Amino acid sequence: DAGVTQSPTHLIKTRGQQVTLRCSPKSGHDTVSWYQQALGQGPQFIFQYYEEEERQRGNFPDRFSGHQFPNYSSELNVNALLLGDSALYLCASSAGSSYNEQFFGPGTRLTVL
Amino acid sequence: AQSVTQLGSHVSVSEGALVLLRCNYSSSVPPYLFWYVQYPNQGLQLLLKYTSAATLVKGINGFEAEFKKSETSFHLTKPSAHMSDAAEYFCAVSSQGAQKLVFGQGTRLTINP
Repeated sequence: DAGVTQSPTHLIKTRGQQVTLRCSPKSGHDTVSWYQQALGQGPQFIFQYYEEEERQRGNFPDRFSGHQFPNYSSELNVNALLLGDSALYLCASSAGSSYNEQFFGPGTRLTVL
Repeated sequence: AQSVTQLGSHVSVSEGALVLLRCNYSSSVPPYLFWYVQYPNQGLQLLLKYTSAATLVKGINGFEAEFKKSETSFHLTKPSAHMSDAAEYFCAVSSQGAQKLVFGQGTRLTINP
């Protein structure tokens, strides 16, 4: 079992650009959540996808959007990048009917210059 | 709304000493509580979870935590610290069925030889 995988590992962008991050969930999982972890902070919930729809959303602007595909993989898109978007972006997967245990991927480190 | 407060952003103990990392939560509904560990440049690994069963929860690597409703606490302990325990530790809370995790700010654990 490969666990949760994310790509790319690192990414450097400039202000105003757009970025797409990708996540493949753990085998057997159908729910994907995205978190933003700024340096020295705890992860902050962005949104969660289940059955290809956004099920929950945290306090993030509309510049942050996502998608879930029929194979349960997911993308996180961020438009009009700001310096403050620099962070580690974590993807977590879980089974929809579980008691909330989420398995995290290694993350994508995004640097905005 | 739910929240988590981790007391002490940095804890330092000697190898072989007791590890105690403090976590207090706020929740208007019965909480599910988690401790995650994060090693440098890695994602989050679940140490243990409380999901309304036994109040004393045993996890991996010799860690355990006790849910105390009266104190709204879920402190993490390990009887004897090992050098490999050096990492960042995060306490998180969610509500049944919600799956969104709310994290604390984290506690960096340093082990002195």
